[in-house]
Amino acid sequence: AQKITQTQPGMFVQEKEAVTLDCTYDTSDQSYGLFWYKQPSSGEMIFLIYQGSYDEQNATEGRYSLNFQKARKSANLVISASQLGDSAMYFCAPSNDYKLSFGAGTTVTVRA
Amino acid sequence: DADVTQTPRNRITKTGKRIMLECSQTKGHDRMYWYRQDPGLGLRLIYYSFDVKDINKGEISDGYSVSRQAQAKFSLSLESAIPNQTALYFCATSDARASTDTQYFGPGTRLTVL
Repeated sequence: AQKITQTQPGMFVQEKEAVTLDCTYDTSDQSYGLFWYKQPSSGEMIFLIYQGSYDEQNATEGRYSLNFQKARKSANLVISASQLGDSAMYFCAPSNDYKLSFGAGTTVTVRA
Repeated sequence: DADVTQTPRNRITKTGKRIMLECSQTKGHDRMYWYRQDPGLGLRLIYYSFDVKDINKGEISDGYSVSRQAQAKFSLSLESAIPNQTALYFCATSDARASTDTQYFGPGTRLTVL
């Protein structure tokens, strides 16, 4: 399995501010996908955003955007205008041969 | 109704017991997966299946077996449960015809082995 590094185990962010979650990975593939999932305290896994390794533009999905740097093998998630409902664990997950490998996650706590 | 369902949602069992976790999906996806999540960690792949006749071991398959009874059903079995199999188990599906291999997860089964 790939090694995925999410260096920030926990982060606090003020409501309405932006937060950036770091993710690096070690794939040797040239073609792959990058996914971010959200896991609230209720436990379900919610798909947030996808980036293809050959996509020239960084992916955006509402308040979520990816800062993808292929040469650095980095795919940071930016959450803009944080809301209280954004408090959750966030996982970075590169795909390889249609299988996902998950990082350990970053816990985000949004403060009012 | 949920597209990916898992039963049971919670289960407490004893060491040595055989247990089956079931996953059903109405999304029409070919690919199905089983993961486990331990506290404070990410998900790890146990088994996956790309169609009814295809079964593959994942990263941590020891102590587990699976059955793909139909396109829509994928079951995970613990033949003789042990305490370190206590975890949150997720089933996921993805569409082989889609332009991305996005996986969609069921709600999870919380398993406790005493």
